[in-house]
Amino acid sequence: EVQLVQSEAEVKKPGESLKIACKASGYSFTSYWIGWVRQTPGKGLEWMGMIYPGDSDIRDSPSFQGQVTLSVDKANNTAYVQWSSLKASDSGIYYCARRAYGSGPMDVWGTGSRVTVSS
Amino acid sequence: EIVLTQSPGTLSLSPGERATLSCRASQSVTSNYLGWYQQKPGQAPRLLISGTSKRATGIPDRFSGSGSGTDFTLTISRLDPEDFAVYYCQQYGTSPYTFGQGTKLEIK
Repeated sequence: EVQLVQSEAEVKKPGESLKIACKASGYSFTSYWIGWVRQTPGKGLEWMGMIYPGDSDIRDSPSFQGQVTLSVDKANNTAYVQWSSLKASDSGIYYCARRAYGSGPMDVWGTGSRVTVSS
Repeated sequence: EIVLTQSPGTLSLSPGERATLSCRASQSVTSNYLGWYQQKPGQAPRLLISGTSKRATGIPDRFSGSGSGTDFTLTISRLDPEDFAVYYCQQYGTSPYTFGQGTKLEIK
């Protein structure tokens, strides 16, 4: 079974750093793009960007460029998104999702990671 | 970036009725790479339709997608109680791959 299991919820203070994980199983991790999507009550679903684990090629959204860093650990079939200095506006639920083969949409979604940034 | 506008914002219908959800793009969607997702409370979105009209694996045939260019439609032919949820469209032809704001399908 294809699965993406994400880190548990995090509560952080503004200015702190954070790295959340998305562990893949049940398929060839290096052959599919992994995308990240943020969900907030105010802005709904926002596509943040995606990374190709095979060669770490990244396509990112201008809205998130410079705000987050995408990375992968091929040995552990895990993708990451990280922040160096969180802001309250980074609060939300973050989903990783696999991009379907051949320029498809997001066909398998992760369990979601809730991030709360509050002083 | 391509802006997707979904309508209506909320749709109130009864089980057994037909639902028609709209997604309009601010510019033509490349290769009609338009997908639809369903999201229930506390769950991740689930892919229903890819490439405007292709049902994803395991999706019942009461769900159908149509359209081209800038205007797309998701139709649910006969609503089942489990279909009441929020539906999102997404274009994945031009980066950034934007989502619509969603249509909430509620029980009347």
